[in-house]
This record gives sequence, C-alpha cells and structure tokens, in this order.
Amino acid sequence: QVQLVESGGGVVQPGRSLRLSCAASGSSFRSFAMYWVRQAPGKGLEWVAVIWSDGSNKYYADPVNGRFTISRDNSKNTLYLQMDNLRADDTAIYYCARALYSSSWYWIDPWGQGTLVTVAS
Amino acid sequence: ELVLTQSPDTLSLSPGERATLSCRASQSVSIAYLAWYQQKPGQAPRLLIHGASDRATGIPDRFTASGSGTDFTLTISRLEPEDFAVYYCQQYTASPPRWTFGQGTKVEIK
Repeated sequence: QVQLVESGGGVVQPGRSLRLSCAASGSSFRSFAMYWVRQAPGKGLEWVAVIWSDGSNKYYADPVNGRFTISRDNSKNTLYLQMDNLRADDTAIYYCARALYSSSWYWIDPWGQGTLVTVAS
Repeated sequence: ELVLTQSPDTLSLSPGERATLSCRASQSVSIAYLAWYQQKPGQAPRLLIHGASDRATGIPDRFTASGSGTDFTLTISRLEPEDFAVYYCQQYTASPPRWTFGQGTKVEIK
C-alpha cells in the first residue's frame, strides 16, 4: 500500500516562494502520474497540477499557471511543487496524490494527509 | 470551462435512510471519466467510485453511482454512521487535461 507524505508547508508572505515535497513509499512511484490538489479553509477541492509518470508532461490549473511548477525525482520517489509569487488566495491544504492506475490518469487515489500553506503578511 | 454543480449543499438524514446526491455538469461529459470521493473532517479525500460504477477497493456495495450526459447521482442505499461526511464528484476532461471537482455535498446526521 503506497503512502504519500507531504512536507514543506508553513506561513509565507505574499509574493514569496515555497517548495512542497511529497515522499512516496514503494517501488511503483515511477509508474504513476502524480497530482497536487488543494483545499482552502472550509472550502472544496481544487486540482492544481499533474505530472506524467516520466515527467514528460505537466499541466496546471489556470489560477497557478506561470507561478507554480510541478516536478518529480523518480530516483528519490519524491514529488515537488515549487510555488512562486504566492498570493493570499493560495492559502490551503495541499494534498499530494497519485493516479489510481498506472495506465490512466482520470481518477485520483491515494492521497497524502496534506500540508498547510498560509500566505499572510 | 466545465463546471460541476452538486446538490443539495447539505443533506440531513438518519442512519439507515437512503441518500441521493446529485452532480450536474455544465456540458455533456462521459461517465467513464467521472469519480466520487468521500472526505471526513480532518482527513484526506478518498476515492469511492470511478467510471460508470466501479467501486474502489474496500468500498461497500451500498455505494452506487449512475447517470449520463450532464446528470449524475451517487446513492448510498442505507446510511451507516461512518458515511456521514462530505462527498465530491470529479470529472476528467481532455485537451488540455483538467480535473474538475464539484463544490461538495455534506451528508449530516439529522
């Protein structure tokens, strides 16, 4: 059973940067697309970014496109999210998650427990 | 841009009752790419059902999904105490790839 553990959250001022990490257990990390999904306090889920298993393709939600960068290191079983020029409305719990199947990317499971990012002055 | 609208926002029911949750898409979509998730307070979401009606590992058969076109339904046949949670629908669309979530329906104990 794969486990995903996020780290790197915290309080950051508007306009600054932060990098999130997600460590995955197991040997199958390199075979699956990976996602970041966020949830603002008391709100619903919002897809942020996805990266293909080999890193060849990356896609971003419009609100973060050009500010956030998703990447992965398959040799370290680790997913990253570099967040630049942060805004107050980026405040959320950021979940790392995996594609359900290695052969598709339509559905998302499992999920990590999330890391809280707070953007405030 | 696809928008998923879930209704109702809150459903107040008693254990043992049937829950019917709706997810309406702003344009016709394929149920093959639809999923439902459950989220309990303080926990990460977990996948319940994907595709037409495929339950994820460990999900009991009281959870079923149906629908087509723009209207989709998650049904919980008999609510158990552990089913009181927030439920989200999610749709994948291509060109470019996007994963859209509904705003959620909270199922609370009446």
